[in-house]
Amino acid sequence: IAGITQAPTSQILAAGRRMTLRCTQDMRHNAMYWYRQDLGLGLRLIHYSNTAGTTGKGEVPDGYSVSRANTDDFPLTLASAVPSQTSVYFCASSKDGSNQPQHFGDGTRLSIL
Amino acid sequence: GQNIDQPTEMTATEGAIVQINCTYQTSGFNGLFWYQQHAGEAPTFLSYNVLDGLEEKGRFSSFLSRSKGYSYLLLKELQMKDSASYLCAVTDSNYQLIWGAGTKLIIKP
Repeated sequence: IAGITQAPTSQILAAGRRMTLRCTQDMRHNAMYWYRQDLGLGLRLIHYSNTAGTTGKGEVPDGYSVSRANTDDFPLTLASAVPSQTSVYFCASSKDGSNQPQHFGDGTRLSIL
Repeated sequence: GQNIDQPTEMTATEGAIVQINCTYQTSGFNGLFWYQQHAGEAPTFLSYNVLDGLEEKGRFSSFLSRSKGYSYLLLKELQMKDSASYLCAVTDSNYQLIWGAGTKLIIKP
């Protein structure tokens, strides 16, 4: 593993199902982030974590939850998927929560039918 | 509210120079980032400005004017591989990144 790994790469999911998107980084970064990217819109922050054991809500947190049990992993869970959650999801990390560049995973393309 | 504006799309010719503008209105300012994103790929970091002036990095330069809420990314000697979206993002007073929708740059031979 080098950098940030997201899984799955893509997924088609029935509405109402539960889904967890995985994100793992090996850079020992303290801060991690989940974004969604929709056509014509900027990246929108869903949840973030400035350090292991802490999480915070971003701009569009409703319908999503996260956990940060350790430094490396930051899974994103959709408890009951809805079609409006169809999007490309990016996980990112930075050295800390201040002005350090964010490094992105390759993204998960999620379609909710 | 917080807002970042960039042109939706620009076209330029291979070998030429292009300037991509970004204006912002945010609650506080703690720095401005430019990222490059090729279609179907993840954003990658290009540059960071926190003080007024020009930062040069090879063929790419980024300028910031905090008093005007304005930045630009300058790409010189354009190559076909520079065809991508360029994302402007501002760190606000809470150190959260606010993202623009991105500028799609099309390079023609």
